[in-house]
Amino acid sequence: KNQVEQSPQSLIILEGKNCTLQCNYTVSPFSNLRWYKQDTGRGPVSLTIMTFSENTKSNGRYTATLDADTKQSSLHITASQLSDSASYICVVSRYGNNRLAFGKGNQVVVIP
Amino acid sequence: KAGVTQTPRYLIKTRGQQVTLSCSPISGHRSVSWYQQTPGQGLQFLFEYFSETQRNKGNFPGRFSGRQFSNSRSEMNVSTLELGDSALYLCASSPTGGTSGSSDEQYFGPGTRLTVT
Repeated sequence: KNQVEQSPQSLIILEGKNCTLQCNYTVSPFSNLRWYKQDTGRGPVSLTIMTFSENTKSNGRYTATLDADTKQSSLHITASQLSDSASYICVVSRYGNNRLAFGKGNQVVVIP
Repeated sequence: KAGVTQTPRYLIKTRGQQVTLSCSPISGHRSVSWYQQTPGQGLQFLFEYFSETQRNKGNFPGRFSGRQFSNSRSEMNVSTLELGDSALYLCASSPTGGTSGSSDEQYFGPGTRLTVT
């Protein structure tokens, strides 16, 4: 079983609407959690990095939350734009043994 | 600063051949990590190099190997190619962290699209 599960696998939203992506993980002990945005045919670009003590972090219209007790994170996209169409990947780092666990991504399509 | 560059961007090989991919990290970055990305498996970690030494390794067969040079540039090699090796190969650089579990930012290159026929 994958240590990082993302949902929904894919979604289509109307331009201007908000959406929330979910990431549940079992990685322990926890070091940090990252959200990446990957446009088609390009490498991932970091959106946020959160450590254990951080609950919320924003990057423009992207807001990530973290609940380390329940091992859940979400990425909220506000007022979506066509350029938000991409795959969003959740990556969790394990403390101590230097390993990253990757989710398979949330595929978001924004339509006009 | 220039970003992470990878060459070539696209490659077509036949089964049984070998291939070498190249990655030039951001200037000053000493850690380079390699990943394989496929639609079914998502991103999977191959290995990480730091100061010319392999610091971490994923669960890939020995056909996958890599190295890092003194200028931090890195290469990965895949021998005896199989159809299942068709994927996007990404490298990422960071100042020190890479897969160390630190909060060092990782910067990804555009990837090399390898197709094995």
